[in-house]
Amino acid sequence: IAGITQAPTSQILAAGRRMTLRCTQDMRHNAMYWYRQDLGLGLRLIHYSNTAGTTGKGEVPDGYSVSRANTDDFPLTLASAVPSQTSVYFCASRDNYNEQFFGPGTRLTVL
Amino acid sequence: SQQGEEDPQALSIQEGENATMNCSYKTSINNLQWYRQNSGRGLVHLILIRSNEREKHSGRLRVTLDTSKKSSSLLITASRAADTASYFCATDGYRGSTLGRLYFGRGTQLTVWP
Repeated sequence: IAGITQAPTSQILAAGRRMTLRCTQDMRHNAMYWYRQDLGLGLRLIHYSNTAGTTGKGEVPDGYSVSRANTDDFPLTLASAVPSQTSVYFCASRDNYNEQFFGPGTRLTVL
Repeated sequence: SQQGEEDPQALSIQEGENATMNCSYKTSINNLQWYRQNSGRGLVHLILIRSNEREKHSGRLRVTLDTSKKSSSLLITASRAADTASYFCATDGYRGSTLGRLYFGRGTQLTVWP
């Protein structure tokens, strides 16, 4: 693993289903973030974690939850997916110089 | 909102020309960053400029920051077709629980024609 990986790459999901997007980093960064990117709206922060064991809400947290059991993993869960959660999801981590490193993204479609 | 706003939304130029993108923001910052996103990919960090810096260079990139006007510009000199991408500015959270968080603008779509 080099940098940040996300899985799956893409997913089509029926409304009401539960879904977990996975994110793993190997850079030992303390801070991690989940964003969603929608056309015309740019990137919006969903949840963040400043260090293992802590999480916080971003701009658009409703319908999403996260956990940070260890430094490397930061999964994002949609408890009951809705069509408005159709988006591209990016995970990122931050180094000590405030640069953020992004994963390749997960394209999620909720029908 | 702390979100930065890029201008223009779209820019189309010929190879060899310079491309200038602007970013305005509303609140105090520690630093401002520029990111690039190729179609279908994640964002890649280009350059970070701190609030006490006025200009910074990296290769063909030149970034300026005017904290009195709450604005920044990204200049790409001698552009290439490979520079075609979306460019985002991002400002950081200034203090407390927002420290380290980034607030992204909607981006400028740059197209460089061969």
